[in-house]
Amino acid sequence: DAGITQSPRYKITETGRQVTLMCHQTWSHSYMFWYRQDLGHGLRLIYYSAAADITDKGEVPDGYVVSRSKTENFPLTLESATRSQTSVYFCASRGTGGGDEQYFGPGTRLTVT
Amino acid sequence: LAKTTQPISMDSYEGQEVNITCSHNNIATNDYITWYQQFPSQGPRFIIQGYKTKVTNEVASLFIPADRKSSTLSLPRVSLSDTAVYYCLGAPMEYGNKLVFGAGTILRVKS
Repeated sequence: DAGITQSPRYKITETGRQVTLMCHQTWSHSYMFWYRQDLGHGLRLIYYSAAADITDKGEVPDGYVVSRSKTENFPLTLESATRSQTSVYFCASRGTGGGDEQYFGPGTRLTVT
Repeated sequence: LAKTTQPISMDSYEGQEVNITCSHNNIATNDYITWYQQFPSQGPRFIIQGYKTKVTNEVASLFIPADRKSSTLSLPRVSLSDTAVYYCLGAPMEYGNKLVFGAGTILRVKS
């Protein structure tokens, strides 16, 4: 399917477990982003990537790890999940043109019990 | 990155024009003013973007005064399906395009 996809769409995990959220885009966009959105709030940037093998921290990176070995994939790993990481996670991508819009995935709803 | 201020919520009726104003006193010279729309359980969707004056597309119009300290998103003849959260933000033209989302404006369209 063309576009940007996320998996899983829903995940329940226990405190202390490692969990990986997947993001895949088919546009060959250079930039990819991970955001979290907590109930009733706007989105906060966790990590972003300008290209394969180039990543950088956003506003709330603690407790998260990212990698980008291929342009089309940008997985987000919670190394040891905590209840405060219960949230909806959105992946986004954009091209390299000035002012290019970001395209967002459908989101992953993660619950940490 | 620019901090924006928007009304928390707005109510409207079907068929009316809705104007949502956003204040961004410290918008950077190289930032676009950008609006996104978000429906429940979905990711945000780009609506419109501009630098100054007026921009119009098939969905909305964006009015930006010369001083760029505010902007107004105009939605003509809203319908129930326009009920959503609308975010105003500065989008850097350059590297990274790191967007800073505020709480947004909840628009409720009633019949």
